[in-house]
Amino acid sequence: GAGVSQTPSNKVTEKGKYVELRCDPISGHTALYWYRQSLGQGPEFLIYFQGTGAADDSGLPNDRFFAVRPEGSVSTLKIQRTERGDSAVYLCASSLEHLYNEQFFGPGTRLTVL
Amino acid sequence: AQKVTQAQTEISVVEKEDVTLDCVYETRDTTYYLFWYKQPPSGELVFLIRRNSFDEQNEISGRYSWNFQKSTSSFNFTITASQVVDSAVYFCALSRDGANFGNEKLTFGTGTRLTIIP
Repeated sequence: GAGVSQTPSNKVTEKGKYVELRCDPISGHTALYWYRQSLGQGPEFLIYFQGTGAADDSGLPNDRFFAVRPEGSVSTLKIQRTERGDSAVYLCASSLEHLYNEQFFGPGTRLTVL
Repeated sequence: AQKVTQAQTEISVVEKEDVTLDCVYETRDTTYYLFWYKQPPSGELVFLIRRNSFDEQNEISGRYSWNFQKSTSSFNFTITASQVVDSAVYFCALSRDGANFGNEKLTFGTGTRLTIIP
């Protein structure tokens, strides 16, 4: 079946602009996660949804970052007033209840803020 | 707070050699899960294994084996008879054993870049 998909694969924007990154989880997966991976580092947790609600948003760096999952499937990560330090690969993962955190990752969106 | 340390930044070995990737973790939780993921040059993270803290048995899957030792807070990964296709960045990760059917955020190490030389 289809895996986790993310669009766009690459996004180049200018400092101060607004961006939206989209994640389509594996069909039926109730849990959805966003991570950010900077060059040479491991992924860092941003936010986790269980269904439509954010179960843990402790990793969002500041209030410029926001994520939604209105129907419990597709999720959008929104970044306002982008800064050069936001440049990274944004990864989305999904998992199924009772699979004890086996998270399936998408290919990521590479965000470059000029 | 949880922490994962992968002290080996880069390792290079000649094909067919065995190689061990080290992972040391810190957690105050009494129950938790440990993971290994592979990130090939294409970039997509691939799940390799999950281990819960109750089970300290070593596991073998083909050329891959994992050694979990609670006494030293380590979860090391060995590749036997390495192949060029094993070249990738390998990440160790840790999560709590959460109330949400086990779903919890992963805390990753910084990764070990493994290069297999033909």
